[in-house]
Amino acid sequence: IVMTQTPLSSPVTLGQSASISCRSSESLVHTDGNTYLSWLLQRPGQPPRLLIYKISNRFSGVPDRFSGSGAGTDFTLKISRVEAEDVGVYYCTQATQFPYTFGQGTKLEIK
Amino acid sequence: QLQLQESGPGLVKSSETLSLTCTVSGGSISRSGSDWGWLRQPPGEGLEWIGTFHNTGNTYYNPSLESRVSISVDSSKNQFSLKLYSVTATDTAVYYCARTYGDYLHLEYWGQGIQVTVSS
Repeated sequence: IVMTQTPLSSPVTLGQSASISCRSSESLVHTDGNTYLSWLLQRPGQPPRLLIYKISNRFSGVPDRFSGSGAGTDFTLKISRVEAEDVGVYYCTQATQFPYTFGQGTKLEIK
Repeated sequence: QLQLQESGPGLVKSSETLSLTCTVSGGSISRSGSDWGWLRQPPGEGLEWIGTFHNTGNTYYNPSLESRVSISVDSSKNQFSLKLYSVTATDTAVYYCARTYGDYLHLEYWGQGIQVTVSS
């Protein structure tokens, strides 16, 4: 399954919102009815960390400024009130089907 | 809090075997529902999934690497390992180990990563 993210770069003003789109080449609905679409954030020099799982569920400790939505093949990550600590590369990833695949990454930077 | 730590040589010669170990602390590698995986990130590039030891006991590999990769688990040491055979310069990357829990908490815990360079 090919994952395509847009945009690849997103300059944003502190306090404003940012939105990242992720599209899959096939439906990510598993035979068990769940959709295993997750979002990760990789800050500079760090390993990625899980933000959102199963489209819209925030992982432990993730601020509610982060929200995920979508269904089937189209998904969105929205970051409200962007803070300096949100800078990094965001990846969508699917675990519905092996091989697990990732989007190319979207670099969020502050204007 | 679960912690994962990669270890192994940072430099491997071309055509030889890359061997890495991930040590799990703060929890049991045998915990029901846990999948243990390896990923990598070439310099300046995105993430690539290498393979996963699934909680069903099956091991799944990226088709692009399947012919030369092996993942195994040593429960007695709370470790799992990666072997990548016949490496070339294109295998130079930061290698990460990670855990997925319950199929849905995909890549919830990561190691810090280990830089592996393949030299000619």
